[in-house]
Amino acid sequence: EPEVTQTPSHQVTQMGQEVILRCVPISNHLYFYWYRQILGQKVEFLVSFYNNEISEKSEIFDDQFSVERPDGSNFTLKIRSTKLEDSAMYFCASSEAARSNGKQYFGPGTRLTVT
Amino acid sequence: GENVEQHPSTLSVQEGDSAVIKCTYSDSASNYFPWYKQELGKGPQLIIDIRSNVGEKKDQRIAVTLNKTAKHFSLHITETQPEDSAVYFCAASVVNAGNMLTFGGGTRLMVKP
Repeated sequence: EPEVTQTPSHQVTQMGQEVILRCVPISNHLYFYWYRQILGQKVEFLVSFYNNEISEKSEIFDDQFSVERPDGSNFTLKIRSTKLEDSAMYFCASSEAARSNGKQYFGPGTRLTVT
Repeated sequence: GENVEQHPSTLSVQEGDSAVIKCTYSDSASNYFPWYKQELGKGPQLIIDIRSNVGEKKDQRIAVTLNKTAKHFSLHITETQPEDSAVYFCAASVVNAGNMLTFGGGTRLMVKP
């Protein structure tokens, strides 16, 4: 069964450093998403991406964040200058078509630890 | 924006019993309500979903009900098994180009053998 994959599973970085989290969505999917979950809190939406542009973003997704689909398979989340409060699990998700069914399939997540 | 509340935060049942998890939402425009199961060290797995034009949906031991008027929806698991032990999340969204999911806080279900 096709699944979303994410790398790395755990990333440790120092405050102020740039990090790139990588995701490979399910191959025939067209919509891509990033969510995050701070320990003990709800899963929060960050951004959705379709047709090489951002469809929707939350207040969390400020100028420090960016997304990119550099090739036909990868979808990345970049945090330019990490803060302590960016420490969280980051989940990538993809869906075949947002309008028709909305089903989103999640990857296993990347645990980001900012020290 | 949308706000989703989920109860209870923890639920312990005996194997074979039923489990019910409830969620309420605030945005009457929401029209899609998925449920996710998250096991330790894994990402959320979609287990069932329901749309606003349907009141109930069932898939084997799992069922979901939706009350649009009251803005609440529930997950029912019958004949629980130890492998049902996990954290369950409800979510709500308006299916459109963005399709942002708003999640509840999660319920840790423990099924005791």
